[in-house]
Amino acid sequence: EAQVTQNPRYLITVTGKKLTVTCSQNMNHEYMSWYRQDPGLGLRQIYYSMNVEVTDKGDVPEGYKVSRKEKRNFPLILESPSPNQTSLYFCASRGMGQGARNEQFFGPGTRLTVL
Amino acid sequence: LAKTTQPISMDSYEGQEVNITCSHNNIATNDYITWYQQFPSQGPRFIIQGYKTKVTNEVASLFIPADRKSSTLSLPRVSLSDTAVYYCLVVGFNNAGNMLTFGGGTRLMVKP
Repeated sequence: EAQVTQNPRYLITVTGKKLTVTCSQNMNHEYMSWYRQDPGLGLRQIYYSMNVEVTDKGDVPEGYKVSRKEKRNFPLILESPSPNQTSLYFCASRGMGQGARNEQFFGPGTRLTVL
Repeated sequence: LAKTTQPISMDSYEGQEVNITCSHNNIATNDYITWYQQFPSQGPRFIIQGYKTKVTNEVASLFIPADRKSSTLSLPRVSLSDTAVYYCLVVGFNNAGNMLTFGGGTRLMVKP
């Protein structure tokens, strides 16, 4: 089954404790992206990646890092989480080939709480 | 990036047709218009995409006038399960590649 998976689905942590949220897709997609969703603010893009070793900032990259060492994986790293990073996070991917429509496939989401 | 404007919320009743309009006055020549649906605590799901005129699939229709400064998502005969948030996106490309911006979306409430 074609899908985007995220782990963990739920995480409660404390300020300053480094964490990583993993994202993996099995569709051989070039493009992957991370979003955060907060009440009243919709979905905001954090980082995106056009392919392996190619990443770029989205709208709200401060406090986050990403890496793209393999095509299928795009982990989101919070080196020193703060309470304002409490949010619902989504990973997404899409194909970039000729004729690929602009459809992003989203993961199930990771609800993060930073105390 | 073309910014989109949509109504914050809409109410409808089962069996009615729902039309959600999105404004994107600064749309660029190569931009596509894409709509997503999101249920609570789930990731958004692609509904439909278009460039101009009309596009129809098994779920919805998308109407785009000649000037492309707006678009209308049409959901025929909605049911309670269509209650969700609907996002209009203009899919453009920045210098580095592909950057997407979701606006606030339209919260559709379908009542019995």
